[in-house]
Amino acid sequence: ETGVTQTPRHLVMGMTNKKSLKCEQHLGHNAMYWYKQSAKKPLELMFVYNFKEQTENNSVPSRFSPECPNSSHLFLHLHTLQPEDSALYLCASSGGGDAYEQYFGPGTRLTVT
Amino acid sequence: GQSLEQPSEVTAVEGAIVQINCTYQTSGFYGLSWYQQHDGGAPTFLSYNALDGLEETGRFSSFLSRSDSYGYLLLQELQMKDSASYFCAVRDEGGGFKTIFGAGTRLFVKA
Repeated sequence: ETGVTQTPRHLVMGMTNKKSLKCEQHLGHNAMYWYKQSAKKPLELMFVYNFKEQTENNSVPSRFSPECPNSSHLFLHLHTLQPEDSALYLCASSGGGDAYEQYFGPGTRLTVT
Repeated sequence: GQSLEQPSEVTAVEGAIVQINCTYQTSGFYGLSWYQQHDGGAPTFLSYNALDGLEETGRFSSFLSRSDSYGYLLLQELQMKDSASYFCAVRDEGGGFKTIFGAGTRLFVKA
């Protein structure tokens, strides 16, 4: 256990559905991240929040909508996704400032049908 | 563009030493990290180099040469449990959090 939990672990959704992914960290970290991991591709940074403020949006399509109500919780709201959005979505957290080590959650395996 | 290059696969035998290379091309550089990911698991942090040279942590060592934009992860006394994917990652901003990952190297350890 890394101290970062994600729910659900698996999700199958149709292209017209709306769903949300949840991430929670119990490490007292200030920064939280969403990554997308597709087979044989690098982890793609999607969003970063630091002290609840978004600091990075890596040109992510608007059908992905993040929400960070506090430093411990991070959501990714999904709507009208495409089949190519099927992937493993990983949440991570890190301390602030120069902290370089990221702690990852187990991920949500998303399948868009 | 920004990219990190590492071999896609490496195979080695138990007890051997293996080196996984990573070359990077990024707009900024504030450190090279390595992560391990077993099938079905989350990436876990292994090591970090901000300055040139070798960092050793048990059986794992990591090296950085900033002038060559190059680093490597060295795994010694390989064990079957070391079979996993290994990712290099560059933090390209000092005060920010933007991290760029390589595509990963799949390590197969054979008996």
